[in-house]
Amino acid sequence: KNEVEQSPQNLTAQEGEFITINCSYSVGISALHWLQQHPGGGIVSLFMLSSGKKKHGRLIATINIQEKHSSLHITASHPRDSAVYICAVRYFGNEKLTFGTGTRLTIIP
Amino acid sequence: GAGVSQSPSNKVTEKGKDVELRCDPISGHTALYWYRQSLGQGLEFLIYFQGNSAPDKSGLPSDRFSAERTGGSVSTLTIQRTQQEDSAVYLCASSLMARETQYFGPGTRLLVL
Repeated sequence: KNEVEQSPQNLTAQEGEFITINCSYSVGISALHWLQQHPGGGIVSLFMLSSGKKKHGRLIATINIQEKHSSLHITASHPRDSAVYICAVRYFGNEKLTFGTGTRLTIIP
Repeated sequence: GAGVSQSPSNKVTEKGKDVELRCDPISGHTALYWYRQSLGQGLEFLIYFQGNSAPDKSGLPSDRFSAERTGGSVSTLTIQRTQQEDSAVYLCASSLMARETQYFGPGTRLLVL
């Protein structure tokens, strides 16, 4: 059982829709990362957060430490947002990241 | 400035051969990570270097895998006696300091025949 669970595994939506991707983990963490992997394979770090909420353009990431849950939201989605979104956590006293299996997002024009 | 670069971008090798994969991190970044992404699988951590400290090798899958980082910059991941299950994309990332945003390279796609 993966220690980092993402849902949904696949998501297809129409352009303009509000998107939510969820990530849950089982043990306390020092930080959580959201990554974006485009079809070509390149990975970009979107957010790193340990509490609260961060916003960058149309992307918003939130984390609830008590509930061990994080969400990534995309407002006014666009076909160029189509990618795999990956959640990764860093546990206390550990430098390595443990990854979720990813959410494949497809935005239809 | 330049991002993280990796070479080669693709490598095809025969089972049993040794391969070396190279990573050039962003200049000045003290932390360097190697990850592996097998087909249809998620990312998995392999090894982490931070400055002059001993590397965290806890993710290396077997003793056929080793890595070094020379002069605190370039890193080489070596796989000896490659097996078909080693086929994957090997990704390198670097960060200015530990526990900061990681910047990923484009990866090396390894195919073991």
